[in-house]
Amino acid sequence: DTGVSQDPRHKITKRGQNVTFRCDPISEHNRLYWYRQTLGQGPEFLTYFQNEAQLEKSRLLSDRFSAERPKGSFSTLEIQRTEQGDSAMYLCASSLARGLINEKLFFGSGTQLSVL
Amino acid sequence: DQQVKQNSPSLSVQEGRISILNCDYTNSMFDYFLWYKKYPAEGPTFLISISSIKDKNEDGRFTVFLNKSAKHLSLHIVPSQPGDSAVYFCAASDSNYQLIWGAGTKLIIKP
Repeated sequence: DTGVSQDPRHKITKRGQNVTFRCDPISEHNRLYWYRQTLGQGPEFLTYFQNEAQLEKSRLLSDRFSAERPKGSFSTLEIQRTEQGDSAMYLCASSLARGLINEKLFFGSGTQLSVL
Repeated sequence: DQQVKQNSPSLSVQEGRISILNCDYTNSMFDYFLWYKKYPAEGPTFLISISSIKDKNEDGRFTVFLNKSAKHLSLHIVPSQPGDSAVYFCAASDSNYQLIWGAGTKLIIKP
């Protein structure tokens, strides 16, 4: 399978705990995105990487959130001191960017986070 | 402030008929628009896109129309098939590599 994979699919945690999600993009893709989606809403942009460089972060990404993409391959998204408002589907997407041409994103199946 | 709006949360269409999904936007700087389809428990999958220099793009049963003066785009699916039942998201980009998404429209195709 050469699609975008995310792990875990589901995560239930208690308020105040830290959680970490992993995303493995399509191997030749140089861009990797993290989105968050809540019920009845479209995905909201969190951050994106061009290779290993984190180029943009949304205002939604508080200092409790951190994302990394070491070596420009897989990425991790960590949420520290989780709050109930963090409960959402966290989606990862990757793309093969060619200059300024808008590229289509390939999404993983997401990690559903529930904070109790 | 919602820059991309899909005002119909759901739409029910008879199999074989045309499905029309609508999307409105407010930001005149948007220059690229995409439609994604999402099945339950899966991530969105790309369906079709259109650049602001065009007013129509067609791919098989799917056609996207763009009306820049009205800041409106629509997705036409004809003929509609049961496998088209899904949530459809409209998204827009202003070349900043961020996509701004609508809230989605759930399409139900009735047999």
